[in-house]
Amino acid sequence: DVKVTQSSRYLVKRTGEKVFLECVQDMDHENMFWYRQDPGLGLRLIYFSYDVKMKEKGDIPEGYSVSREKKERFSLILESASTNQTSMYLCATDTGHQPQHFGDGTRLSIL
Amino acid sequence: KQEVTQIPAALSVPEGENLVLNCSFTDSAIYNLQWFRQDPGKGLTSLLLIQSSQREQTSGRLNASLDKSSGRSTLYIAASQPGDSATYLCAVPRNAGNMLTFGGGTRLMVKP
Repeated sequence: DVKVTQSSRYLVKRTGEKVFLECVQDMDHENMFWYRQDPGLGLRLIYFSYDVKMKEKGDIPEGYSVSREKKERFSLILESASTNQTSMYLCATDTGHQPQHFGDGTRLSIL
Repeated sequence: KQEVTQIPAALSVPEGENLVLNCSFTDSAIYNLQWFRQDPGKGLTSLLLIQSSQREQTSGRLNASLDKSSGRSTLYIAASQPGDSATYLCAVPRNAGNMLTFGGGTRLMVKP
């Protein structure tokens, strides 16, 4: 079974802090994704990576950056956290063919 | 731009009922369609994936159908159980890529 591990289930940070969310997968999948999920807005794609050091912007990349130095790890970075980035963040992977496999999510609160 | 809609947004049924969840999409040129389940506070679990050339897929008590021409998919759950209570989401890939467009989900509650 594919295992997608997100480093924290719950995280509380302050506005202006630089925040790192980590995602690790154990199945050598090429593609990795970061989504955020908000009530009434559903799942929205932030960034997508199709290979090491390769990335594409999703629907809502503003205020975020990503890093993929190794194939198994995909990091989401909030450069200067703001309260409107309080959300549930979900990481997913796939081989280039669906289905996508998701981690358990990180519920991030920015105070 | 592809839009995916799920109706109803919420559904409450007594245990044992057979039920149908609906998913519609605006652009019928899809490669596949996926159904996911999400438990409260958790990530998504893939339930079924239907390729564009298929009409349906089955897994246990779940059956998903796809009608590309009408832009619709249904997820049929037979003999519902309280453990089926969750949010069910459908999603389609954008163009030839791997980025998915999700519906808003249907929150299902099965009462004992």
